[in-house]
Amino acid sequence: DTGVSQNPRHKITKRGQNVTFRCDPISEHNRLYWYRQTLGQGPEFLTYFQNEAQLEKSRLLSDRFSAERPKGSFSTLEIQRTEQGDSAMYLCASSGTEYNEQFFGPGTRLTVL
Amino acid sequence: EDQVTQSPEALRLQEGESSSLNCSYTVSGLRGLFWYRQDPGKGPEFLFTLYSAGEEKEKERLKATLTKKESFLHITAPKPEDSATYLCAVGHGGSQGNLIFGKGTKLSVKP
Repeated sequence: DTGVSQNPRHKITKRGQNVTFRCDPISEHNRLYWYRQTLGQGPEFLTYFQNEAQLEKSRLLSDRFSAERPKGSFSTLEIQRTEQGDSAMYLCASSGTEYNEQFFGPGTRLTVL
Repeated sequence: EDQVTQSPEALRLQEGESSSLNCSYTVSGLRGLFWYRQDPGKGPEFLFTLYSAGEEKEKERLKATLTKKESFLHITAPKPEDSATYLCAVGHGGSQGNLIFGKGTKLSVKP
């Protein structure tokens, strides 16, 4: 399967702990996006990479969130000092060119207790 | 402010009963309108991209159309397997590629 993959699929953590998610995009795609989706809502943009450069961050992305994409391949999203409000589905997408269709991974479901 | 509004929020159809989903948008410089299908607990699955008013795309029982202010997703003779949430998203001039999504329309098709 050459689609976007995300790990883990599910993560349960206690408030105050740090968590890290991984996304592996479609291999030939140089653009990678992170979104967050809560129940009954559409995905909300968090941040965007073109190759290894982080070019855009949403105002939703607090200082507790950090994302990296070393060598322009896979990406990680870390949340420090998790809060119950961080509970959501975290989605990763990739595309080949700007404004081309974005292909999404299966998501990581985070539950903060 | 750039925004996307989808209606209705939920739609129940009988198998074979055709209908349409609406997506209205207000954006500074439309850079593509995208339709996705999302099944529970899964990531969105890409369906269509439309770039200019008057454009139409078809795939099986689905047909997407675009005007200057809204898009429609027409579902012809739906089947129970078409049950899902359908998301509309727009690319906009104020970004470098991120999409603004609507809240989606949850479609249920009963046999």
